[in-house]
Amino acid sequence: DADVTQTPRNRITKTGKRIMLECSQTKGHDRMYWYRQDPGLGLRLIYYSFDVKDINKGEISDGYSVSRQAQAKFSLSLESAIPNQTALYFCASGSQGPGGELFFGEGSRLTVL
Amino acid sequence: AQSVSQHNHHVILSEAASLELGCNYSYGGTVNLFWYVQYPGQHLQLLLKYFSGDPLVKGIKGFEAEFIKSKFSFNLRKPSVQWSDTAEYFCAVNDDMRFGAGTRLTVKP
Repeated sequence: DADVTQTPRNRITKTGKRIMLECSQTKGHDRMYWYRQDPGLGLRLIYYSFDVKDINKGEISDGYSVSRQAQAKFSLSLESAIPNQTALYFCASGSQGPGGELFFGEGSRLTVL
Repeated sequence: AQSVSQHNHHVILSEAASLELGCNYSYGGTVNLFWYVQYPGQHLQLLLKYFSGDPLVKGIKGFEAEFIKSKFSFNLRKPSVQWSDTAEYFCAVNDDMRFGAGTRLTVKP
C-alpha cells in the first residue's frame, strides 16, 4: 500500500461546483502539504500544515481551503471551481526536523469545465 | 521574497554526456536543500538532500550536488547520463518546501 494516498485520482467537474481532494498518510508524519503542478510552472505550494493545529498559506492559496482532520489526513477544497484550477494536484507528507524529505502521493488530476 | 530558481527549463543531452542543472535560492539563514526527480507519469521522489556537514552531497543513481553558500546555489550533477535519467528535476528549499519551476531532462539514446 502507498504511504500517501490521494482520492480521487481523476475528477472532471463543472465551473462553480465544490470539490474536495483527500489525502491520507500512514507514515506518522506531522507535516503535510498540498501542491498543484502545471506545465512549465513546476510545483506551487497551496497550503501546508506542520501539525493538526497549524495551517499555513502557500504561494497560491486563493480559491482553495484546507482541513487537517487528524495527523494522518489533510484535505483540499475548491469551494467554487473555475477552469484555471484545472491541474494535477499532489499531496505530500514529511517528518519534522532539518533535512526531512517529503513523500508524495500519486496525484489527483482535476479538470474543471 | 523567498524563492527558488531553476534556470534551465529543458535540457537535451546524448547518453554519456555530463549533466549540471542549476538551482539558486533566496533564503536568509540556515537552509535545507533538496533535489527531487519525477519520472514520466510518476510522482516525485527524493534524489538527494543537504542540511549540514559536507557541502558535496551524493544521492541515488550517481547524482551529486554541491551547496555553495556564497553563491546561494545547489547545483545537481551527474558525470554520465543514461536514457533512463529522462525525467523532470526539481530543486526545493526548507521546511515550507517551495519548489523551483523544474528542469525537464531529455536524454537521447
